[in-house]
Amino acid sequence: DAGVTQSPTHLIKTRGQQVTLRCSPKSGHDTVSWYQQALGQGPQFIFQYYEEEERQRGNFPDRFSGHQFPNYSSELNVNALLLGDSALYLCASSLGETRRLAKNIQYFGAGTRLSVL
Amino acid sequence: DAKTTQPPSMDCAEGRAANLPCNHSTISGNEYVYWYRQIHSQGPQYIIHGLKNNETNEMASLIITEDRKSSTLILPHATLRDTAVYYCIVFWGGGSNYKLTFGKGTLLTVNP
Repeated sequence: DAGVTQSPTHLIKTRGQQVTLRCSPKSGHDTVSWYQQALGQGPQFIFQYYEEEERQRGNFPDRFSGHQFPNYSSELNVNALLLGDSALYLCASSLGETRRLAKNIQYFGAGTRLSVL
Repeated sequence: DAKTTQPPSMDCAEGRAANLPCNHSTISGNEYVYWYRQIHSQGPQYIIHGLKNNETNEMASLIITEDRKSSTLILPHATLRDTAVYYCIVFWGGGSNYKLTFGKGTLLTVNP
């Protein structure tokens, strides 16, 4: 049973560039959440996608956008990269039918390490 | 902002029980307590969750105080592979909130 997979594992970009990160959810899952984790900090929620729509968004600027495809996979796009965007980007998947329940367990991928120079 | 308070670090001897505390004095009646851990260079991993009763699974036990203002995660026989950052999170999936709010967690170091 494949877990959550993210690609690429590492990425180096320069300021002002754009980046796209990809996530395939755990088999059977239809909801994808994205988190940003700066060094030494806990993950911070960016947004969640369900039924190909953004359902909730954290405190991140519009430079951060996403998409969910019919096969439930998802992309995170970041435009006009800043040095402060350097972080580990984590994707988590869960079952949509549990979104409003206590047992909304999210399964995380290993993340994409983005370095902005 | 995280609604929980955890010590930044703890040590434990291999084979002994690791007891990780968490304060959540502002927890609401319908919020659950979740624990995740993050081993270096990996994504967070779900451990256990509970509302007000003590819970146990194959990984750990969760003890929640009667007033629900604090809890303790217990790893009964810690191994070196349990060295990780442990996050305590309060969460209620009702309404339109689906996000997990992580704090800085507790770095548990299991020593040989």
